[in-house]
Amino acid sequence: EIVMTQSPATLSASPGERATLSCRASQSFSNNLAWYQQKPGQAPRLLIYGASTRATGIPARFSGSGSGTEFTLTISSLQSEDFAVYYCQQYYNWPKTFGQGTKLEIK
Amino acid sequence: EVQLVQSGGGLIQPGRSLRLSCAASGFTFDDYVIHWVRQVPGKGLEWVSGINWNENNIAYADSVKGRFTISRDNAKNSLYLQMNSLRAEDMALYYCVKENYWGAFDIWGQGTMVTVSS
Repeated sequence: EIVMTQSPATLSASPGERATLSCRASQSFSNNLAWYQQKPGQAPRLLIYGASTRATGIPARFSGSGSGTEFTLTISSLQSEDFAVYYCQQYYNWPKTFGQGTKLEIK
Repeated sequence: EVQLVQSGGGLIQPGRSLRLSCAASGFTFDDYVIHWVRQVPGKGLEWVSGINWNENNIAYADSVKGRFTISRDNAKNSLYLQMNSLRAEDMALYYCVKENYWGAFDIWGQGTMVTVSS
């Protein structure tokens, strides 16, 4: 099983700032990595797949990068609606494991 | 509209069984792999099980293997999760999730809560 580790657990930032979230995999794979956003009381929403491809309707301020074991989600200029919990997930093999999440909170 | 509508959750005693259902619409159901993912309120996401279009590729998390059974009825555009021998640690919000062509989880159901308590 591939273990996904996200950091930091909590990130405090202000609207307009840039946010960088990290995800590390316990074994290497190419780009089978997704990012999800979850707001309270809602199901997760796919943001990024293929490590860097934005899902339908996702604003350009969200970008993903990385390969191998190190991946990054960057939000270029935080909007109020971006404060949420973010999860990474590998879908290179089964089980399709998630990271433990990063809570992005308003500073 | 592409959607997954779930039903079947509720309060159940430890050791009993429960079946979750997920009805798909707005896409060709049998073209896609479908999964169950659960989340303890306030905690992270845990993949539970997945099934390919013809049921010849099925997998389970170790935590539910031997107790849960995933199945699908393509004629009814429906996914199921039969949960037997339920434990307190199975208590969670369960999501039905569609995989896209690349393997990411692009469509999520609304979630159904399973509460295991005597």
